[in-house]
Amino acid sequence: DQQVKQNSPSLSVQEGRISILNCDYTNSMFDYFLWYKKYPAEGPTFLISISSIKDKNEDGRFTVFLNKSAKHLSLHIVPSQPGDSAVYFCAARTNDYKLSFGAGTTVTVRA
Amino acid sequence: DAMVIQNPRYQVTQFGKPVTLSCSQTLNHNVMYWYQQKSSQAPKLLFHYYDKDFNNEADTPDNFQSRRPNTSFCFLDIRSPGLGDAAMYLCATSSSPGTGYEQYFGPGTRLTVT
Repeated sequence: DQQVKQNSPSLSVQEGRISILNCDYTNSMFDYFLWYKKYPAEGPTFLISISSIKDKNEDGRFTVFLNKSAKHLSLHIVPSQPGDSAVYFCAARTNDYKLSFGAGTTVTVRA
Repeated sequence: DAMVIQNPRYQVTQFGKPVTLSCSQTLNHNVMYWYQQKSSQAPKLLFHYYDKDFNNEADTPDNFQSRRPNTSFCFLDIRSPGLGDAAMYLCATSSSPGTGYEQYFGPGTRLTVT
């Protein structure tokens, strides 16, 4: 049973505009959330994370928002750049060291 | 640079012919994971090693086995590959306990079964 869902398989955005990626989860025991970025022929690389005790974490152009009551998190990329074109995975963990992943959203940034 | 290395990057095997995928790491992490990822799907955890302790996911088929001879290396053995086992296999590592929960991934091995 998929506990982490990314319902938008793809997203196309113009360079310079905002990219918003969404992720929903079902397990209320998740206490830490991560976003990974994956280029073709490479493994996923860690991008940004947020603890369940926070509702926002920002790192440069990347901001993650967490809404625990809605079991929803989002990743904002502002401004979007061509190098941001990649697959983005949402992941969540419980109180152990395993992660549950979403299926990913492919972002294409148009020049 | 510290990293996770997977060999080979592409592997073709015949239906039913055993195959081994390898993973090595220079991060000195104590936890190593194997994931299976099929097209447009989430990476699915097959099993992991916490130090020398092997932990199998409940729904991982018996056809999949793993070995970790030392901290740096971990192997994925598929005893009798079927067509449904064609996928990307990702190895990852993490340090536990730790201050962060990130896993560090290798580039993956693309397995084709003919």
